[in-house]
Amino acid sequence: KQEVTQIPAALSVPEGENLVLNCSFTDSAIYNLQWFRQDPGKGLTSLLLIQSSQREQTSGRLNASLDKSSGRSTLYIAASQPGDSATYLCAGTSYGQNFVFGPGTRLSVLP
Amino acid sequence: DAGITQSPRYKITETGRQVTLMCHQTWSHSYMFWYRQDLGHGLRLIYYSAAADITDKGEVPDGYVVSRSKTENFPLTLESATRSQTSVYFCASTWDRGKEQFFGPGTRLTVL
Repeated sequence: KQEVTQIPAALSVPEGENLVLNCSFTDSAIYNLQWFRQDPGKGLTSLLLIQSSQREQTSGRLNASLDKSSGRSTLYIAASQPGDSATYLCAGTSYGQNFVFGPGTRLSVLP
Repeated sequence: DAGITQSPRYKITETGRQVTLMCHQTWSHSYMFWYRQDLGHGLRLIYYSAAADITDKGEVPDGYVVSRSKTENFPLTLESATRSQTSVYFCASTWDRGKEQFFGPGTRLTVL
């Protein structure tokens, strides 16, 4: 059974710092990987999707990469802002399977 | 409204009652999903559907029933609610399994 770990579980940083969130899968055969943001009491907002033929995706200050040999993904947030405060979840799928979600990293960016 | 919507947003019910949570999407996505989110367990898949009239169990299907008579709707029914079904329920959709999923705002269900 695929299991997902996200490290750290929680992170607090001052505004302006660059930071990295980590996600790892017990089965490294990840076909597609998606990063989400969840604000308190809200649904999940899709941030980035890395598809089978890709190794990374970028959107604004966000960059996500996937190492398929190890089953690890990182989400890089540049120049963090208080508005980035949220829980970040990764989800991965093997070919033909449904997504499996990580527990999330709770990020606080302090002004 | 465009996108994916869920209703009700909040629901309080009693043990043993039947409850139906609604999900509606306007993208004509083939796949739809129901998840529950609980502290300590993260997001877990309850049921999913690949198309109208095609549904399948996820990780935690016991106590739930789904149907999908129309592509845009995917209701989730708790036939006899239990306290352990107190949770936040999310509906999601995508055009193909494994592709980018889009989530609804969630329904917070409390079973007393």
